[in-house]
Amino acid sequence: NAGVTQTPKFRILKIGQSMTLQCAQDMNHNYMYWYRQDPGMGLKLIYYSVGAGITDKGEVPNGYNVSRSTTEDFPLRLELAAPSQTSVYFCASSQGPYGEQFFGPGTRLTVL
Amino acid sequence: ILNVEQSPQSLHVQEGDSTNFTCSFPSSNFYALHWYRWETAKSPEALFVMTLNGDEKKKGRISATLNTKEGYSYLYIKGSQPEDSATYLCASLGGGADGLTFGKGTHLIIQP
Repeated sequence: NAGVTQTPKFRILKIGQSMTLQCAQDMNHNYMYWYRQDPGMGLKLIYYSVGAGITDKGEVPNGYNVSRSTTEDFPLRLELAAPSQTSVYFCASSQGPYGEQFFGPGTRLTVL
Repeated sequence: ILNVEQSPQSLHVQEGDSTNFTCSFPSSNFYALHWYRWETAKSPEALFVMTLNGDEKKKGRISATLNTKEGYSYLYIKGSQPEDSATYLCASLGGGADGLTFGKGTHLIIQP
């Protein structure tokens, strides 16, 4: 049981480049989430999904897109990377809306 | 947007001493309060999920209480050990926000 996995662990992007952060879970959880964590700030919700085919915006969705074609996978897409998107990104999943969330190891992204 | 506040921001405690810290959250439309433990270079791990006013949960030397009417939760650590050093996050579900709203955390350092 791998739990929540994320790839890559680290990435450096140039301004204007695009990339996809991968997230997968093997716990058959319906709910999946993307957060970003900036120094001195709490985790901020970017997007979330309540099941395959259903996604919704969180608190800070601008500059990102998501898709959820399967229960297991929830990729996060950055289309035109900006320095403001330099952050650590965490994917998480939960069984239901109130349950504890299980976090992946994070992706550290730097945009230069 | 919910405002979840944690205090203190950081705390140095002598090994063997007991300690506690606070999480405050808006009490309207409350659904759940989560506590997570976040060690350096790791991912957040759930400690407790509490939903009922007056709830008290315990895991080993760590316990938490919840007051949903006044909007606060306390986390207690009894007989602190060096392995308790971590950032403790609380997060609230409710108040009309989508998903969890996290506080900035309390950074706990246990000094031998």
